[in-house]
Amino acid sequence: DQQVKQNSPSLSVQEGRISILNCDYTNSMFDYFLWYKKYPAEGPTFLISISSIKDKNEDGRFTVFLNKSAKHLSLHIVPSQPGDSAVYFCAASLFSGTYKYIFGTGTRLKVLA
Amino acid sequence: GAGVSQSPSNKVTEKGKDVELRCDPISGHTALYWYRQSLGQGLEFLIYFQGNSAPDKSGLPSDRFSAERTGGSVSTLTIQRTQQEDSAVYLCASSLGQFDTDTQYFGPGTRLTVL
Repeated sequence: DQQVKQNSPSLSVQEGRISILNCDYTNSMFDYFLWYKKYPAEGPTFLISISSIKDKNEDGRFTVFLNKSAKHLSLHIVPSQPGDSAVYFCAASLFSGTYKYIFGTGTRLKVLA
Repeated sequence: GAGVSQSPSNKVTEKGKDVELRCDPISGHTALYWYRQSLGQGLEFLIYFQGNSAPDKSGLPSDRFSAERTGGSVSTLTIQRTQQEDSAVYLCASSLGQFDTDTQYFGPGTRLTVL
């Protein structure tokens, strides 16, 4: 049973446009969410996080939105750059065991120059 | 500074053999994690070490899997009597260990293929 779902395995976006990556979760007890980015042959790198007391967190070109009622998380990248091409994983956890991240299956983003 | 390193980067083994995967965490990081990513799946938590505390082994899929962390630094994940379903990328991560929300820094992974 996949508790964290990324239903779009891939996404292509033109350089300069907005990339929107989506993530849905099933466990309403999750209260900490993260996005990781992964380049080929490298480990995932932390991008941005959000706790359930917020509905938005911004860091430069990256913004994460949390809709708790819909159990939905999204990552917006504006403007998208070719260097953003990577696989993006969302992850969720319970504060009671926060180190146990539950990851989605990833979305491969390709930003076209 | 140096990040998390893992060795080997690739390992091909025959079914039934034992394998050892190594992780060198970032110096000074007291928390260490092992994950695996099977084809088409997300990263799956396996085990967590924090300082001298007993490890959280709740994610280990079977008793063929074990892990050690010697001297609070290097960790070895051992898979005994490997099966084809063990084929995956095994990722190690470390964090400062001060808070559970500390950023986890991942190594490049070991790709294990069991024939």
